[in-house]
Amino acid sequence: DAGVIQSPRHEVTEMGQEVTLRCKPISGHNSLFWYRQTMMRGLELLIYFNNNVPIDDSGMPEDRFSAKMPNASFSTLKIQPSEPRDSAVYFCASSLTGPAGSEQYFGPGTRLTVT
Amino acid sequence: GEDVEQSLFLSVREGDSSVINCTYTDSSSTYLYWYKQEPGAGLQLLTYIFSNMDMKQDQRLTVLLNKKDKHLSLRIADTQTGDSAIYFCAEKDFGNEKLTFGTGTRLTIIP
Repeated sequence: DAGVIQSPRHEVTEMGQEVTLRCKPISGHNSLFWYRQTMMRGLELLIYFNNNVPIDDSGMPEDRFSAKMPNASFSTLKIQPSEPRDSAVYFCASSLTGPAGSEQYFGPGTRLTVT
Repeated sequence: GEDVEQSLFLSVREGDSSVINCTYTDSSSTYLYWYKQEPGAGLQLLTYIFSNMDMKQDQRLTVLLNKKDKHLSLRIADTQTGDSAIYFCAEKDFGNEKLTFGTGTRLTIIP
């Protein structure tokens, strides 16, 4: 199994530009999570999907952030326009949700730097 | 809301046991997890324990849960240099897929 795949691994962009982060969950998993990790705030859940439907987006910082999951094997997190304070590592995770509980498996992350 | 707390740093001599502690506030937690994060990598699930268990052992890892005190610990026996990482505990509520993570404990191994 390839695990959770994220692209790009590193992204450097200028303030005001649009940034799109991509995630391919583990095949067969039905839940997908987007996290942001910074030194100041630690690991924060931004949004999660179950069966491609957004369930909880209360962690999305503001309207500049949007996430989609058009099918079970692909999700995007978009920031438009980007700001320096968006610089962080963004992780995608997936899990198979069931009555016995679920374990989340993380991708390697995308390190975003906004200058 | 839920809160999960950990100490930020722990240093242990190679070959000794490491004990990483975590406290949580949510009494409805169903699962409690330990993740490991190595530099430049994502979080790797190490082990988890269901809230009706007191202990779980998996090779060098032992998880202890004191539900009364809402205290979780991870013991790593015979700590090796490869165990250097940040360790996160996390809790999950019943009927909710969200995990609440602690701040992480950076484990440093002293040769």
